[in-house]
Amino acid sequence: GAGVSQSPSNKVTEKGKDVELRCDPISGHTALYWYRQSLGQGLEFLIYFQGNSAPDKSGLPSDRFSAERTGGSVSTLTIQRTQQEDSAVYLCASSLFGVGWEQYFGPGTRLTVT
Amino acid sequence: GQQLNQSPQSMFIQEGEDVSMNCTSSSIFNTWLWYKQDPGEGPVLLIALYKAGELTSNGRLTAQFGITRKDSFLNISASIPSDVGIYFCAPNTGNQFYFGTGTSLTVIP
Repeated sequence: GAGVSQSPSNKVTEKGKDVELRCDPISGHTALYWYRQSLGQGLEFLIYFQGNSAPDKSGLPSDRFSAERTGGSVSTLTIQRTQQEDSAVYLCASSLFGVGWEQYFGPGTRLTVT
Repeated sequence: GQQLNQSPQSMFIQEGEDVSMNCTSSSIFNTWLWYKQDPGEGPVLLIALYKAGELTSNGRLTAQFGITRKDSFLNISASIPSDVGIYFCAPNTGNQFYFGTGTSLTVIP
């Protein structure tokens, strides 16, 4: 079956512009996660959605970052007024249920802010 | 707060050698997962451990869930070039989950 997909695969934007990154999780997965990964670095947790519960936003680095998950499926991560330090790969993952279940990752969106 | 340490940060080994990496934490966990990330891709689950003391193998991979529930190790035997990548431990308990900082493995043919 289809895995987690993310779009776009690459995004180059000018400093100060807003960007939207999309994640399509595996159908039927109730949990969705966003991470950020800088070059050669580990995974930085951003936000976690589980079913109809309020999302865990504890990892969002600033109020320029926000995410929503519509209809319990597709998710969009929005970064407003992008800064050069936002340049990274943004990874999305989904799992059948919540924490403790295997996370299936998408290929990521490489964001470059010039 | 919780501290999770993964080591080593990087390894350069000859093909055929065995590899060992580990994660230790200041907190106890119910589950330890190990993921591998190939260059340019997202991480993929290698092994899942659900019980303290559990030792699990998956081909050339062996992982153990420490008896104290605060640590785990991953061993790779007889490394091959396709083992190259970054390996992450990912412990979790309740609604708390973490990823280690990763071990970057380079295998020299």
